[in-house]
Amino acid sequence: DVVMTQSPLSLPVTLGQPASISCRSSQSLVHSDGNIYLHWLHQRPGQSPRRLIYKISNRDSGVPDRFSGGGSGTDFTLRISRVEAEDVGVYYCLQHTHWPHTFGQGTKVEIK
Amino acid sequence: EVYLVESGGGWVQPGGSLRLSCAASQFTFSNSWMSWVRQAPGKGLEWAANIKPDGSEKQYVDSVKGRFTISRDNAKNSLYLQMNSLRAEDTAVYYCASWGASNHWGQGTLVTVSS
Repeated sequence: DVVMTQSPLSLPVTLGQPASISCRSSQSLVHSDGNIYLHWLHQRPGQSPRRLIYKISNRDSGVPDRFSGGGSGTDFTLRISRVEAEDVGVYYCLQHTHWPHTFGQGTKVEIK
Repeated sequence: EVYLVESGGGWVQPGGSLRLSCAASQFTFSNSWMSWVRQAPGKGLEWAANIKPDGSEKQYVDSVKGRFTISRDNAKNSLYLQMNSLRAEDTAVYYCASWGASNHWGQGTLVTVSS
């Protein structure tokens, strides 16, 4: 199985400051169709997950532009340009290329 | 607004069975890959099973293979998960989710396996 390793696992942030989460895959995520199915999801406390970013860098509908994704190969990053209070919760990377699809352990973002 | 509403969760003894359902509305269910993703209490997310839009292809994570069966009824816009031989480690909130150009999740249904 592809192992997805996130860091850090806990991220205290100051409102208005940037934040960055790293995700590393144990093998290439290039699909046979040429796409890289690496997504980012956000789960607020007590809520269902919500996809924010798909295929490395594409924002889902309604996602604020302060969220951005990047990376290549086996290293990927989610960036929040200016953290807002509603951004707290757990962020997961997800590889959707190989079966079984696997999530990172999650990064808990909280406000300092 | 897209709706995915799960039902069927509850308490069951080890070795028992449950059938989860997910009713979908306001999107083209029959064109969407659907999945069940679970989350044990206080833990991360685990993808359990996948099904192709026409139901012709199904995938299962090793820990549920042979015990769980995913199915769908496109005429009823519904997704199902038949869970047999349940174990304590299957205790989790089970989410149904749709995947494609857009991604949608239900609110989840709690399954508790305990004696």
